Amino acid sequence: NAGVTQTPKFQVLKTGQSMTLQCAQDMNHEYMSWYRQDPGMGLRLIHYSVGAGITDQGEVPNGYNVSRSTTEDFPLRLLSAAPSQTSVYFCASSYAGVYYKEQFFGPGTRLTVL
Amino acid sequence: EDKVVQSPLSLVVHEGDTVTLNCSYEVTNFRSLLWYKQEKKAPTFLFMLTSSGIEKKSGRLSSILDKKELFSILNITATQTGDSAVYLCTTAPIREQGGKLIFGQGTELSVKP
Repeated sequence: NAGVTQTPKFQVLKTGQSMTLQCAQDMNHEYMSWYRQDPGMGLRLIHYSVGAGITDQGEVPNGYNVSRSTTEDFPLRLLSAAPSQTSVYFCASSYAGVYYKEQFFGPGTRLTVL
Repeated sequence: EDKVVQSPLSLVVHEGDTVTLNCSYEVTNFRSLLWYKQEKKAPTFLFMLTSSGIEKKSGRLSSILDKKELFSILNITATQTGDSAVYLCTTAPIREQGGKLIFGQGTELSVKP
């Protein structure tokens, strides 16, 4: 199993550009989430999904869109990049059974917006 | 508003010391509390706690949850330089909101030789 994969690993954008961060998992997990991590602020939830076709907003959703057309993929779209979106982005997935199990994290994408 | 608060935010100790990291929470639809360790890369899972008063142990690390007072502690005994990391506490909600984890700010632990 590859686990949770994210692409790209690094990205530099100019203000106003759009892009999509890719996330995929091969563990058949129902739950998937996107976080951003800024210095001294832990992980903040952007959007999450409890299954294909179902998404919801987290703490900091503004400026980001998501969709979940398949169980495996959960892309994060930046609509018009701003310097405030410079951050490290993590995607995570977890099992949705009766007994909760931990989230598995991807390696992260380091995004810089100039 | 759901929130998870960790303390201290940073801690510097010497090898062999024992440390206690704190995590308090105020969240709706609570199911479990989890601890992760992060070393300059993606977080890695340490513990999941669902019931009060039951200590989870893994080597020199242990953790316990108090659901009445809404907090958890993570203890590390006989610390080593390899324990240097950011320790993250998070709460997992009920099944219907399963991906909605709320993280604390993290505690940055530095262990000096």
